[in-house]
Amino acid sequence: EVQLVESGGVVIQPGGSLRLSCAASGFTFDDYTMYWVRQAPGRGLEWVSLISWDGANTYYADSVKGRFTISRDNRKNSLYLQMSNLRAEDTALYYCAKGAPPGYLDYWGQGTLVTVSS
Amino acid sequence: DIQMTQSPSTLSASVGDRVTITCRASQNINIWLAWYQQKPGKAPKLLIYKASTLQTGVPSRFSGIGSGTEFTLTISSLQPEDLATYHCQQYHNYPRTFGGGTKVDIK
Repeated sequence: EVQLVESGGVVIQPGGSLRLSCAASGFTFDDYTMYWVRQAPGRGLEWVSLISWDGANTYYADSVKGRFTISRDNRKNSLYLQMSNLRAEDTALYYCAKGAPPGYLDYWGQGTLVTVSS
Repeated sequence: DIQMTQSPSTLSASVGDRVTITCRASQNINIWLAWYQQKPGKAPKLLIYKASTLQTGVPSRFSGIGSGTEFTLTISSLQPEDLATYHCQQYHNYPRTFGGGTKVDIK
């Protein structure tokens, strides 16, 4: 059974930094592209970033480019999102999701909540 | 960026009704469209990919059709457990983009 478990969400002040983690199990992690998607309270889904199976290719939404960095550790079956210079508009539930070629998301975690507030 | 526009934003229907949700892309995305169902307080779940292919385990009352810029998700006979928000997503280009969602209420 595929499982994705996010962690690391907290309440943090504007300008702060934070790393989210996603622990994956139930599939061959290093075969798949992985994604972060976020959902602000009461809003729709926003794609944040993706990383290829080997970490060689990464893509970011314009809203986070230059502030967020996606990475993965295939030895640990883990996905990460390093977030810096956080803004109030980054407040959201952050989901980790497994990619299915060529680009839809077939499994999602339950999310971890990041609140940016002074 | 490709803009995805869903309509309506909310709808209310009775059990047994046929429900249709539309998703329009701002440019041609071929058939590279997925639909997700998000029940209240839960993570999204994949329903359909490649515009019309039903994910394993999804009830056959769900169907999708379309190509190019216009797509529809149909629930042939609405059930109480279909109360949810439905999202479309294109994967033709980067950045991947989602529609704004359609909330389905049961009358």
